[in-house]
Amino acid sequence: DTGVSQDPRHKITKRGQNVTFRCDPISEHNRLYWYRQTLGQGPEFLTYFQNEAQLEKSRLLSDRFSAERPKGSFSTLEIQRTEQGDSAMYLCASSLPDTQYFGPGTRLTVL
Amino acid sequence: EDQVTQSPEALRLQEGESSSLNCSYTVSGLRGLFWYRQDPGKGPEFLFTLYSAGEEKEKERLKATLTKKESFLHITAPKPEDSATYLCAVQGRAAGNKLTFGGGTRVLVKP
Repeated sequence: DTGVSQDPRHKITKRGQNVTFRCDPISEHNRLYWYRQTLGQGPEFLTYFQNEAQLEKSRLLSDRFSAERPKGSFSTLEIQRTEQGDSAMYLCASSLPDTQYFGPGTRLTVL
Repeated sequence: EDQVTQSPEALRLQEGESSSLNCSYTVSGLRGLFWYRQDPGKGPEFLFTLYSAGEEKEKERLKATLTKKESFLHITAPKPEDSATYLCAVQGRAAGNKLTFGGGTRVLVKP
């Protein structure tokens, strides 16, 4: 399978803990995106990388959130001091200049 | 700020009963309008990209059309396997590379 992959698929954590998610994009895609989706809503943009440069960040991305793409390949999204409101599906997508292809997502539950 | 509104929120169809989903948008210069299909617990699956008013795209029982203010996704003679949430998203010239999504239309096709 040469699509976008995400790990883990599910994460349950306690409030106040830190969590980190990984995304591996389609190999030839230089653009990578993170979105968050809550139940019954469409995905909301969080941040965008072109190669290793983080070029766009949403207001939704508070200072507890940090994303990296150190070598322009895989990316990580870390949430520090998780809150119950962080419970959501975190989606990664990758693209060439045009269509964004999504991974299966990481479902985060904060207890 | 780009905005997308999808209607109806939910649609129940009998197998073979054709229908249309609406996506109304406001955007500062449309770069592209995207349709995705999302099954429960999975990431969005790309269906179509439309770039300019008057453009149409087809795939199996699905046909997407675009005007300057809205897009329609027509489902012809649907089957139960067409049951999913259909998401519409726009990419505007002033909004960088992010996609702005609507809330989706949940389609249930009963045999």
